[in-house]
Amino acid sequence: EAQVTQNPRYLITVTGKKLTVTCSQNMNHEYMSWYRQDPGLGLRQIYYSMNVEVTDKGDVPEGYKVSRKEKRNFPLILESPSPNQTSLYFCASSPDGASFGGDTQYFGPGTRLTVL
Amino acid sequence: GDSVTQMEGPVTLSEEAFLTINCTYTATGYPSLFWYVQYPGEGLQLLLKATKADDKGSNKGFEATYRKETTSFHLEKGSVQVSDSAVYFCALVKGGRRALTFGSGTRLQVQP
Repeated sequence: EAQVTQNPRYLITVTGKKLTVTCSQNMNHEYMSWYRQDPGLGLRQIYYSMNVEVTDKGDVPEGYKVSRKEKRNFPLILESPSPNQTSLYFCASSPDGASFGGDTQYFGPGTRLTVL
Repeated sequence: GDSVTQMEGPVTLSEEAFLTINCTYTATGYPSLFWYVQYPGEGLQLLLKATKADDKGSNKGFEATYRKETTSFHLEKGSVQVSDSAVYFCALVKGGRRALTFGSGTRLQVQP
């Protein structure tokens, strides 16, 4: 089944404890992206990747890192989480990194992160 | 910058009622437009899309037409079902980094 998977789905942690949220897609998509969803603010892009080893900042990159060493994986790293990073996180992918933007983006199920 | 405005929810309808959820956008250039749906506890799923002016996207009885002259992409369905209860997001994307710009979402509640 074609899908985007995220792990963990739920995580409660404490300030300053490094964590990684994994994202994997099995559709051979070139483009991958991370969003966070907050009440009243909608979804905002954190980082994106056009292809392997090509990543760039989105609208709200502060406090996050990403890497794209393989096509299928795009982990989100919080080196020193803070309470303002408590949010619902979504990973997304779409087929063509070079397309004009009309490609559908496929979303993972979300990761609910709480930082105490 | 680009933005998407949706009607506030919740929208509460009886089963088989007609649905309209308004969406307007502000963007330079020629964005592609999308409707995504989020069921409780799940991620976002694409409902329909339109990539150029006057295109109509349709899926599962839902429709929306890309109106460049009014910068709108209103979602409609002729007869809603209880299973349509969800949060609906209008979104746009342009080339380049292709960040989806989402509206704030509209919660639809359909009562039997």
